[in-house]
Amino acid sequence: DIQMTQSPSSLSASVGDRVTITCRASQPIYSYLNWYQQKPGKAPKLLIYAASSLQSGVPSRFSGSESGTDFTLTISTLQPEDFATYYCQQSYSSPPTFGGGTKVEIK
Amino acid sequence: QKQLQESGPGLVKPSETLSLTCTVSGGSISSNIHYWGWIRQSPGKGLEWIGSINHSGSTFDNPSLKSRVTISVDTSENQFSLKLTSVTAADTALYYCARSWGSNSPFDYWGQGTLVTVSS
Repeated sequence: DIQMTQSPSSLSASVGDRVTITCRASQPIYSYLNWYQQKPGKAPKLLIYAASSLQSGVPSRFSGSESGTDFTLTISTLQPEDFATYYCQQSYSSPPTFGGGTKVEIK
Repeated sequence: QKQLQESGPGLVKPSETLSLTCTVSGGSISSNIHYWGWIRQSPGKGLEWIGSINHSGSTFDNPSLKSRVTISVDTSENQFSLKLTSVTAADTALYYCARSWGSNSPFDYWGQGTLVTVSS
């Protein structure tokens, strides 16, 4: 299975901050990388697919990029509703696997 | 508005079979491009893909579950189902159903999740 390693596991930030979350794949997955946001008591919500494509309805402050097996989710200007846990997921090979999550907390 | 809704027992005894159903509304489960899957989430193992079924009835499951998984579709009810046999406490989790638009695609619609506890 392809291992997905996210960092950091948690971070504290303030409204208005720029936030960056990283996900590293254990082998090449090309652009088959997706990002989800999960709030307490809710299902994960797709934010970014294919490494950098914004899902319909997702604010443009969210963006994704890739460099080799390293992928980044950036929130350009953190909003109050963005405090949540973020997960990456590879869909290159079966079984699809998820990162361990990054919890974004209020500083 | 596409919606997925899980249903099934919240408590299952060890060694028995966990059975869940996902009802799809706002779209046909017979779509020839979509895959329908099950994902679970537990504090210990995070998010784990269980398996998926496609429009032609082909199923795919996680080898880590050692062939305990059966996924099926009922097009007349617009539902798909999960059966997980020989459950143990390690199968206690929040179970989600979800849709993807292909085998290499993300999960774009999710149910709200249902908690299943394995305990005697």
